[in-house]
Amino acid sequence: DAGITQSPRHKVTETGTPVTLRCHQTENHRYMYWYRQDPGHGLRLIHYSYGVKDTDKGEVSDGYSVSRSKTEDFLLTLESATSSQTSVYFCATEREGYTQYFGPGTRLTVL
Amino acid sequence: GENVEQHPSTLSVQEGDSAVIKCTYSDSASNYFPWYKQELGKRPQLIIDIRSNVGEKKDQRIAVTLNKTAKHFSLHITETQPEDSAVYFCAPTRETSGSRLTFGEGTQLTVNP
Repeated sequence: DAGITQSPRHKVTETGTPVTLRCHQTENHRYMYWYRQDPGHGLRLIHYSYGVKDTDKGEVSDGYSVSRSKTEDFLLTLESATSSQTSVYFCATEREGYTQYFGPGTRLTVL
Repeated sequence: GENVEQHPSTLSVQEGDSAVIKCTYSDSASNYFPWYKQELGKRPQLIIDIRSNVGEKKDQRIAVTLNKTAKHFSLHITETQPEDSAVYFCAPTRETSGSRLTFGEGTQLTVNP
């Protein structure tokens, strides 16, 4: 799906370092979401945004912050990465019919 | 919040057989019922969805059935093929902008040639 991209696609970092993941969409969708995916847990919502500078917490928001200064970009920041944040992170946008479409994912490893 | 359970967690079938995955939810106000397919190393992709004013929906070899009274819906795949091997997730929700999806834990389907 070319309308939504994530960067970086892979990242290895060390405990205690800050990390920012970027989600970029080209289709002017209002709602954007960040999920993490771990074995045995499916996809869990971290934060979501309902417009520029409007964000709210999901079910697993501790240790994460987000920002949305432009419609097309939704940033996820780990202020001080921990090994428990090793995961695959997916961004999603909400499109017609209230359906969500996902980006390609970012695999993050925290050593 | 919504409690979602999927069964079974793993399912292995022979090519050509049918597969059925069931999703049970707790929120009686849920009215939108999507199924996502995730191939290994790829993103989840919507494959079929149903809304509460419809009891069944088909799209070629896949179908979804809904029982709102019992609060469950099921994914049916007929004439399975090896390319159907993937993890399948349900995510029942209220159909509104800004829906916060709660995903089931997924069902690993393996289709053996």
